[in-house]
Amino acid sequence: QSVLTQPPSASGTPGQRVTISCSGSSSNIGSNTVTWYQQLPGTAPKLLIYGNNQRPSGVPDRFSGSKSGTSASLAISGLQSDDEGDYYCAAWDDSLNGYVFGTGTKVTVL
Amino acid sequence: EVQMLESGGGLVQPGGSLRLSCAASGFTFSTYAMSWVRQAPGKGLEWVSGINISGGSTNYADSVKGRFTISRDNSKNTLYLQMNSLRAEDTAVYYCAKRVSGRYYYFDYWGQGTLVTVSS
Repeated sequence: QSVLTQPPSASGTPGQRVTISCSGSSSNIGSNTVTWYQQLPGTAPKLLIYGNNQRPSGVPDRFSGSKSGTSASLAISGLQSDDEGDYYCAAWDDSLNGYVFGTGTKVTVL
Repeated sequence: EVQMLESGGGLVQPGGSLRLSCAASGFTFSTYAMSWVRQAPGKGLEWVSGINISGGSTNYADSVKGRFTISRDNSKNTLYLQMNSLRAEDTAVYYCAKRVSGRYYYFDYWGQGTLVTVSS
């Protein structure tokens, strides 16, 4: 049972901006950094954003992350068909003493 | 190039056991903490267990505590997950994941996964 809540789906047309929210609590997002992972169909998850808003090398600047209090968000600007897939937020949870993932959001390009 | 190759998955009956392996290459395995993450068919990601660089510190999700054991052999660059008393709800693709060094907790590389099916 995920402790980080995301909307089940998000969609947009090519070129649009899509935002995905991630809601947690003081024991996870409120006290630790947020990471976002991208999982394209049939593949393993891939690191997309770390440290709330840092992009690993190779990740386009169309992807950006932010955090405020116990919530975080991922924005995808200039949406492309290759962006279709599932997106997960994640953070360490001090109360559970474990790593928790969000419920996941399926992004569809219309 | 960082590579992690999981193996050991398969079909097992409820109550049975299985040991997964993750062979790592392309980085100094002994200097990175590692984890197992699973994904049930059509479902989201679930962190299963983590282990520090020496193997002396481990932690587990409540759903597997007491049934699963994570370990590593730094001389063989290999991560393991011993799974006992398996249940139908343990059916999933199991990924090994490399944790970054430092105080932040996240994974920068993932294996391709191995499927575990628990069914009679």
